[in-house]
Amino acid sequence: DTGVSQNPRHKITKRGQNVTFRCDPISEHNRLYWYRQTLGQGPEFLTYFQNEAQLEKSRLLSDRFSAERPKGSFSTLEIQRTEQGDSAMYLCASSLPSRSNEKLFFGSGTQLSVL
Amino acid sequence: SQQGEEDPQALSIQEGENATMNCSYKTSINNLQWYRQNSGRGLVHLILIRSNEREKHSGRLRVTLDTSKKSSSLLITASRAADTASYFCATVTVGGATNKLIFGTGTLLAVQP
Repeated sequence: DTGVSQNPRHKITKRGQNVTFRCDPISEHNRLYWYRQTLGQGPEFLTYFQNEAQLEKSRLLSDRFSAERPKGSFSTLEIQRTEQGDSAMYLCASSLPSRSNEKLFFGSGTQLSVL
Repeated sequence: SQQGEEDPQALSIQEGENATMNCSYKTSINNLQWYRQNSGRGLVHLILIRSNEREKHSGRLRVTLDTSKKSSSLLITASRAADTASYFCATVTVGGATNKLIFGTGTLLAVQP
């Protein structure tokens, strides 16, 4: 499978715990995005990497959220001291933009439930 | 934050009918894209239309773009039960440094067999 891979698919945690999600983009893609989606809404942008550099962070990304992309390959998104409001689907997407190809390729997401 | 809204929020049609979804956005854009999402899954790119284009076709899909009204529409012709999904428009803003997509609120399409 050469698509975007996200793990785990589901995560249930208790409030106050830390969680970490992983995203493996398509191998030649240098751009990687994290989005958050709640039920009945469209995805909301969280952060963007070009290679290993984190170039943009949304105001949605509070201090409890941190994302990394070491060596410009896979990326991790960590949420510390989880709150019930963090419950959502976390989506990762990657792209190798060119004039003829600006679309994003999405993973299947990690569904987080904070109890 | 979301770029804009789509309407209708939900649409139910019979197989074989056409489905039209509308999208409005707020800022000047480089391009507008439509994505499809099956329940509980990631999004799949359908079609991209650039700001200097007015209409584009791909198979059973037809997209229009009116930059003066900041709106777009997606037409799915001869719908099938397998077209049942949520459909989102997404825009890339002019002057944005990262080419990030800003998504609308989506239209939930149900195609009854």
